[in-house]
Amino acid sequence: GVTQSPTHLIKTRGQQVTLRCSSQSGHNTVSWYQQALGQGPQFIFQYYREEENGRGNFPPRFSGLQFPNDSSELNVNALELDDSALYLCASSMIAEDGYTFGSGTRLTVV
Amino acid sequence: AQKVTQAQTEISVVEKEDVTLDCVYETRDTTYYLFWYKQPPSGELVFLIRRNSFDEQNEISGRYSWNFQKSTSSFNFTITASQVVDSAVYFCALTVYSSASKIIFGSGTRLSIRP
Repeated sequence: GVTQSPTHLIKTRGQQVTLRCSSQSGHNTVSWYQQALGQGPQFIFQYYREEENGRGNFPPRFSGLQFPNDSSELNVNALELDDSALYLCASSMIAEDGYTFGSGTRLTVV
Repeated sequence: AQKVTQAQTEISVVEKEDVTLDCVYETRDTTYYLFWYKQPPSGELVFLIRRNSFDEQNEISGRYSWNFQKSTSSFNFTITASQVVDSAVYFCALTVYSSASKIIFGSGTRLSIRP
């Protein structure tokens, strides 16, 4: 499956954070979603074969990396209080077949 | 633009009752895919079903069934003989072929099954 670390994180406004994801073996596409409390997940961006392949309405301080070993990172700079959310990683081989989601990292910005 | 609407914010039923979760979608694309995901308290999104826009056949999987109607842009989900373990937040979602990288989720329906 898809594993994410850490499971919970508390950061201070203005700090930077890196969230990590290990995709399901063989999946070449990874996406990141932000889920605020009580809302549906919002698409941040997707990586395909280590290149960004689509981006949602998120500012440039949200960035990512995908590595050849099925791992990926989401980096957020200059954290704001509104960045507090559950961040979900999802991987897929073929997008239309659906994605496998991880359990997420719950980020709290204080 | 694409949009998914789940008008039911919360539903509470007694165990063994049938329950239907509504989903209405909007897209101008002719090729698209619809999904349902379950999100238990642990947080991960569990894939339940995928439907493409050319397949309007209803589907049944055990106690779960899905009714896809293009004429009304709806993709409803019914749980028959509900169980306490069905308690979760359920999301309907849409992705279009022209932008398959992005899944658009509805706001979710929180389903509570009372014993």
